[in-house]
Amino acid sequence: SQQGEEDPQALSIQEGENATMNCSYKTSINNLQWYRQNSGRGLVHLILIRSNEREKHSGRLRVTLDTSKKSSSLLITASRAADTASYFCTAGASGSRLTFGEGTQLTVNP
Amino acid sequence: ETGVTQTPRHLVMGMTNKKSLKCEQHLGHNAMYWYKQSAKKPLELMFVYNFKEQTENNSVPSRFSPECPNSSHLFLHLHTLQPEDSALYLCASSQDDPGRGIQYFGAGTRLSVL
Repeated sequence: SQQGEEDPQALSIQEGENATMNCSYKTSINNLQWYRQNSGRGLVHLILIRSNEREKHSGRLRVTLDTSKKSSSLLITASRAADTASYFCTAGASGSRLTFGEGTQLTVNP
Repeated sequence: ETGVTQTPRHLVMGMTNKKSLKCEQHLGHNAMYWYKQSAKKPLELMFVYNFKEQTENNSVPSRFSPECPNSSHLFLHLHTLQPEDSALYLCASSQDDPGRGIQYFGAGTRLSVL
């Protein structure tokens, strides 16, 4: 399996600030995916970055990937209270299984 | 709305009951998954089905019995559960290789075992 490990475990910021979360993984990957989970609900896919990409944007989300360091980061700009959720990363590889770590719990205070 | 529907949303059962969780996907995906999410623990992968065939069973106790009659439907049959089985059970589906495809999750079934 290709579990990602998120850091920090918890992050609390004010509305309008940027939030940065980091992810590390252990072996070779095809892609790196980020998901969000609101309390008590299912996970929602946010963004996928392929192993040959270094940066990807989607709305207020910016993801970077450094395969030499086996790490990724998720930046949420101009955060909103509605961004309060847990964020998970997972590394995709053929013949493996996506697995999820404990996530980063983001709290955006109004 | 992700295209993956789970029913029921909430379930309370006694340890001697038999119940089933249902998952249905309308996305034309070939792979379906059951996950268990307990409080303060990472998501645990329970079962994987690919083209209706079970391809993974992560040492799940036999009191959990999955069934995949076709690529669109997945069931989790429950019997003689324990209180520690109380958790959020999530179903997901994906189109591509289960190792790297994007997964689409249902809203989950919150199970309480008394």
